[in-house]
This record gives sequence, C-alpha cells and structure tokens, in this order.
Amino acid sequence: DAGVIQSPRHEVTEMGQEVTLRCKPISGHNSLFWYRQTMMRGLELLIYFNNNVPIDDSGMPEDRFSAKMPNASFSTLKIQPSEPRDSAVYFCASTLRGGQETQYFGPGTRLLVL
Amino acid sequence: AQSVTQLDSHVSVSEGTPVLLRCNYSSSYSPSLFWYVQHPNKGLQLLLKYTSAATLVKGINGFEAEFKKSETSFHLTKPSAHMSDAAEYFCVVSMTGGGNKLTFGTGTQLKVEL
Repeated sequence: DAGVIQSPRHEVTEMGQEVTLRCKPISGHNSLFWYRQTMMRGLELLIYFNNNVPIDDSGMPEDRFSAKMPNASFSTLKIQPSEPRDSAVYFCASTLRGGQETQYFGPGTRLLVL
Repeated sequence: AQSVTQLDSHVSVSEGTPVLLRCNYSSSYSPSLFWYVQHPNKGLQLLLKYTSAATLVKGINGFEAEFKKSETSFHLTKPSAHMSDAAEYFCVVSMTGGGNKLTFGTGTQLKVEL
C-alpha cells in the first residue's frame, strides 16, 4: 500500500493567495483527519471526516479555512486568503472504521506564506 | 474531556543506555493510548498502542510502554538507545466513544549522544 499521499510536499506562496492542499487516504479507510503542526501550538486537529462527511470542524481556525471530501479517496484543505501565520506543516491522516483504530499519517505539506 | 501531559520536553541519553519518556493522561472513559515518533521533516509513525488488552505493550524498534491505571501513566521505554532513535515522540490519547479523535501531547525531543 502506498500509504497516505499528500501534495504538494512544499508550498511557498504570498500573503493573500489561495492555497489548496491535497490528500489521498489509504484505500479502504473511511475516516480522514487534517492536522496542523507549528512550533508554538504543536499538533492540532483541524477537522475530520467519517465516510466523507465532516464530523468535527471545531479546530478550523477561521472562515479562511475550508475542507472538502468529495469522495472516499480524496480530500482538500483550502486557505483563502492565506496569511503568514498560516505557515505550518499540515498533515493528513486516515484510519479504518472508527473507535481506537490506528491513524496513519501522510508525510505532510510544509507551507510557507510570505 | 481527555488530555495528555508529556513531562519532559527534551531528554538526552547516551547510546546504549536506557530510554524513558514519561507520559500521564487524563480521561473520563477507558482510553486508548498511543506513542508516535516523528523524525526530522517526516510524518508521524506509530510506535505502539494500548487498547485495554495487555498492560505492557511492545512496539517497533525495541520500544515498549506500560499502562498503569493507578498512576494514569503510559511511559515509553527502551533498554538500549540507538543513534537512529533521535526524534520527537508524541504521547496520544483517544477516548472510547470519542469518534477516533486524538489528543496529542506536546512532544518529547529525544537526543542520543555517542
């Protein structure tokens, strides 16, 4: 299995631009999570989906952030407009079923907003 | 509510000596507990997990952890450190019925010296 795939791996953009991060979960997994990691705040859960439906988006910082999961094999996290404080590493993770199943993490997207 | 506290932000050991990374948790229900490792510029990898089976859990790369309910602890140990163990380690708690939502500790940076 290829594992969780994220693209791009690195993104450098200017303040005000739209940024779209992409994630392909492990085939057969039905839960998907978006996390943000910064030095100041550590790892934060932004949003998670079960069976393509957003379950908890309480971690989404503000309206500039949005996430979609149009099908079981693809999700996007969009920031519009981007700001320098959005600079972070964004991780996607997926898991099989629910409960306490192991979450498998992608390699992350390192975002720098200038 | 659930939370996890990693008692040391940095731990330094000599190669060949034991490793102890401390973690205490707080959970209203039966928790599942995990240790993840993150090498520089990489995603998170599962080391081991506890899900109410045996209290001593063995993981990859010679790591193990013991769940102690009376002490609300889940410390990570390894008998002999290797240079390749240098990384950041995260203790994570997931609450039964919590919808697979993970709560991460702040991380412990492990340094291994010759």
